[in-house]
Amino acid sequence: GENVEQHPSTLSVQEGDSAVIKCTYSDSASNYFPWYKQELGKRPQLIIDIRSNVGEKKDQRIAVTLNKTAKHFSLHITETQPEDSAVYFCAAIYGGATNKLIFGTGTLLAVQP
Amino acid sequence: KAGVTQTPRYLIKTRGQQVTLSCSPISGHRSVSWYQQTPGQGLQFLFEYFSETQRNKGNFPGRFSGRQFSNSRSEMNVSTLELGDSALYLCASSLVENTEAFFGQGTRLTVV
Repeated sequence: GENVEQHPSTLSVQEGDSAVIKCTYSDSASNYFPWYKQELGKRPQLIIDIRSNVGEKKDQRIAVTLNKTAKHFSLHITETQPEDSAVYFCAAIYGGATNKLIFGTGTLLAVQP
Repeated sequence: KAGVTQTPRYLIKTRGQQVTLSCSPISGHRSVSWYQQTPGQGLQFLFEYFSETQRNKGNFPGRFSGRQFSNSRSEMNVSTLELGDSALYLCASSLVENTEAFFGQGTRLTVV
């Protein structure tokens, strides 16, 4: 079925530490994997995405890795800051030529100053 | 460039009533998707419209429906409201397939 599993559900780190969030998808045809950050009371906003023809992508302190064989992808945040505190969602596109996003259940990241 | 606009921002309805939510996508975007967000179920896909045609539908009852107009604006309708329909309804627009989805601020629906 269409499923994206996300772990952990909550993550608390000290400022300056790294944070890693992991997701697993079920449809081998999925080829687009975005990550969204949602602050309290605000809309989800894309922070980084990766396509299936790429194994890793980096944007400053944020990186995403993709293992197509294992159907795993992960978000890595280095040198965390209090403003990184939010809920992070991974997602996968299901259904080929579409924009149907199946989301993971979210990770509440708390960065302690 | 204006972002995705959803109206209204907040709604309170009574069980059994129906409601219509509106979404105006980013100019030039032809794909509009709708999602339901609840604390217990997270973000769940409702449906996607592209060029006035429903391209995908999620696992929701027939009380949930939508449409898209020629200017790409979209509406979703929920009939015979139930308490469990209380949620944040988000719409997102995309330029083409498999690209960034830009979300609106959502409509917070409360059913009493």
